[in-house]
Amino acid sequence: QKEVEQNSGPLSVPEGAIASLNCTYSDRGSQSFFWYRQYSGKSPELIMSIYSNGDKEDGRFTAQLNKASQYVSLLIRDSQPSDSATYLCAVNTGSSNTGKLIFGQGTTLQVKP
Amino acid sequence: DTGVSQDPRHKITKRGQNVTFRCDPISEHNRLYWYRQTLGQGPEFLTYFQNEAQLEKSRLLSDRFSAERPKGSFSTLEIQRTEQGDSAMYLCASSLGHRLRAFFGQGTRLTVV
Repeated sequence: QKEVEQNSGPLSVPEGAIASLNCTYSDRGSQSFFWYRQYSGKSPELIMSIYSNGDKEDGRFTAQLNKASQYVSLLIRDSQPSDSATYLCAVNTGSSNTGKLIFGQGTTLQVKP
Repeated sequence: DTGVSQDPRHKITKRGQNVTFRCDPISEHNRLYWYRQTLGQGPEFLTYFQNEAQLEKSRLLSDRFSAERPKGSFSTLEIQRTEQGDSAMYLCASSLGHRLRAFFGQGTRLTVV
């Protein structure tokens, strides 16, 4: 079992729709959770961080965390073609305080005009 | 530009040659991380520094890899006797403390021919 799992996709949504990206993790002690966006050939760009159960909203993005289910998600409202990218879920495992991140393989999102 | 800076952006080398990459973190960030990313995968942790101390190395980091962060500022990653399997994007990230958000540089794309 991978430590952080994501569906590789592609996830295709029409422009203006809500895109829902999901991630599960195996380490129950994990403390910090991040979503990165990565355009093809570019480096990951941090878009959301979440540390406690519940929802966290930032503009069109909402991160949701459920530690009991070991599940974190990212919702993108009013999806735009410019949102087309790979979205990486990253987890800072709780087994140490290194701050190192364990990444999922990423979900490719395609927003069609 | 006060973000994480990596140099060079691209490197093509012949198998068996040595290569060295440089990373300049965000100036006040005390933690610096190296990751490697291959096509279709999320970044994989290689090593990290807190100030000048290298505190953790992944098992992915063979004896041919060495990293330094003299004086706790910039860092270098050297690969000796490169192999074709070393071809990847090498990403550097920095953060302030272990729980706070990590920001990535543009990456160095290595191609071993």
